[in-house]
Amino acid sequence: AQSVAQPEDQVNVAEGNPLTVKCTYSVSGNPYLFWYVQYPNRGLQFLLKYITGDNLVKGSYGFEAEFNKSQTSFHLKKPSALVSDSALYFCAILNQAGTALIFGKGTTLSVSS
Amino acid sequence: EADIYQTPRYLVIGTGKKITLECSQTMGHDKMYWYQQDPGMELHLIHYSYGVNSTEKGDLSSESTVSRIRTEHFPLTLESARPSHTSQYLCASRISGTEAFFGQGTRLTVV
Repeated sequence: AQSVAQPEDQVNVAEGNPLTVKCTYSVSGNPYLFWYVQYPNRGLQFLLKYITGDNLVKGSYGFEAEFNKSQTSFHLKKPSALVSDSALYFCAILNQAGTALIFGKGTTLSVSS
Repeated sequence: EADIYQTPRYLVIGTGKKITLECSQTMGHDKMYWYQQDPGMELHLIHYSYGVNSTEKGDLSSESTVSRIRTEHFPLTLESARPSHTSQYLCASRISGTEAFFGQGTRLTVV
């Protein structure tokens, strides 16, 4: 069965420091992977995706993610965090039937000034 | 901003009332979804549709129903609201091979 795990409920970083939000997945075949961000009382905003190609994917707002097939991971990264990056981040995978996205439990990122 | 709209944004309603949450998209996407999310929590798929006249139940059992009579419209209905239905409902759409686009959500409170 396919699944997505986000092992950290919360990540705390200081402004200007690099950040990493972790995601691991389980699926048969080639994965379609996504990262979304959610601000309070809002819907989800798409950040980036991995379908095929380069393992390092660049997305919106300076975020990037590295696909690692051997470790079945797709960690979200940013070289220098901003206070405005504080939000709830979701990793998602397309299910094996290709019909819907399955989401992780979410990680709250808190960036302090 | 994605062209997918949910109304109302906020709804407070009494127990036993019938409600319909609206979702419309102007992108011509064939696939549409409803997710349920408690505040700050994970998303659970409750309904999805491959296209007109196609609807399926998701992973989380829900007492709600959906319809897809037009490509752009995917309303969700609760025949008799209960306090346990209090949650945020997120609508999304996509086409094959792409990411999903989400609406702003409807926060439902049943009192």
